[in-house]
Amino acid sequence: NAGVMQNPRHLVRRRGQEARLRCSPVKGHSHVYWYRQLPEEGLKFMVYLQKENIIDESGMPKERFSAEFPKEGPSILRIQQVVRGDSAAYFCASSQDNSPLHFGNGTRLTVT
Amino acid sequence: SQKIEQNSEALNIQEGKTATLTCNYTNYSPAYLQWYRQDPGRGPVFLLLIRENEKEKRKERLKVTFDTTLKQSLFHITASQPADSATYLCALDSSGGGADGLTFGKGTHLIIQP
Repeated sequence: NAGVMQNPRHLVRRRGQEARLRCSPVKGHSHVYWYRQLPEEGLKFMVYLQKENIIDESGMPKERFSAEFPKEGPSILRIQQVVRGDSAAYFCASSQDNSPLHFGNGTRLTVT
Repeated sequence: SQKIEQNSEALNIQEGKTATLTCNYTNYSPAYLQWYRQDPGRGPVFLLLIRENEKEKRKERLKVTFDTTLKQSLFHITASQPADSATYLCALDSSGGGADGLTFGKGTHLIIQP
């Protein structure tokens, strides 16, 4: 069974560009979470989605950030007009019902 | 406000000894607590889950305790090995149940020296 797949592993964007991060959950998992991690910082919750629905987006900035988990295809975290402060590792995790989280290996976003 | 505290300094342990990591929390009443391991450049990997009505949980060389009075969990690795070197994260559910809204501590970096 494939685990959570995230791509790309590394993404470099210039200020003002858009970043699209993709996450394919474990097969059969319908819950997807996005976390952000800065060096020496803990994982910060951003958003929780189930198929086609955003359940909790309390950790996601109101502007420039959006997330979706369509009926078909991967979950997408989209950051518009990136700024240097968006540079971080973004982790996706999936679960089924109340099971523990399965994490991907992250996308490292660098904004130049 | 809710807070999770783990030792921010690296923990150096000699191979073969027991490593003990601490997770303290305030302003939470979690239904369960989880421990994850994270290696450099990788995502966290789930290790153990302990519920509020459980005092202790074991899995191979790992043992977790959960004291809801002290608001503390201890994570033990017995007969430690250099391969156990990693950052260990504790996580609490902030919603009273379910996988949504897990909140993570910053983690403790464990180094097992041969």
